[in-house]
Amino acid sequence: ETGVTQSPTHLIKTRGQQVTLRCSSQSGHNTVSWYQQALGQGPQFIFQYYREEENGRGNFPPRFSGLQFPNYSSELNVNALELDDSALYLCASSSTGDSYEQYFGPGTRLTVT
Amino acid sequence: AQRVTQPEKLLSVFKGAPVELKCNYSYSGSPELFWYVQYSRQRLQLLLRHISRESIKGFTADLNKGETSFHLKKPFAQEEDSAMYYCATFSGGYNKLIFGAGTRLAVHP
Repeated sequence: ETGVTQSPTHLIKTRGQQVTLRCSSQSGHNTVSWYQQALGQGPQFIFQYYREEENGRGNFPPRFSGLQFPNYSSELNVNALELDDSALYLCASSSTGDSYEQYFGPGTRLTVT
Repeated sequence: AQRVTQPEKLLSVFKGAPVELKCNYSYSGSPELFWYVQYSRQRLQLLLRHISRESIKGFTADLNKGETSFHLKKPFAQEEDSAMYYCATFSGGYNKLIFGAGTRLAVHP
């Protein structure tokens, strides 16, 4: 069974740029959730995708957008980067058959300068 | 809005001592509550959930609706328990997890 993977591991961007983060869900999982974890804080829900459709969104502006592909992998896109977007971005996959447990990836560390 | 509060940023104990990591929630209904753990250089993982009433790695957590608490307990801490612990709850009809800020448990030899 392959776990959740994320790429890249870390990256540095400049304020105003755009970034795309990628996530491959665990085998058999059809739901992907994205979280932002600022330093010293718990993860905050950004949005969730289920069968290629957005299935709920947290308190994040529209410049945070996402996609889910037919193989259930997912992308998180952030436009017009701000310094406060610097954080660890976590992806979690789950299955509607076992909807309580989310399996997290290792995260992508984004630094905005 | 639902909220999870972990009042302690750091809990430092000696090996063999009892551990209690505090978690309080705000929710008027029947919440689904979880404890997630992150060991050093490892990914966030589920430790236990209140509906299963399991004991994982010696940890237990009881839901107290009167006090709106879901404290994590272990009678005898081990050095390998040192990690970040997050209390979390579901929000809404989908699997949106709301996390507390986390408590770092440091178990000293």
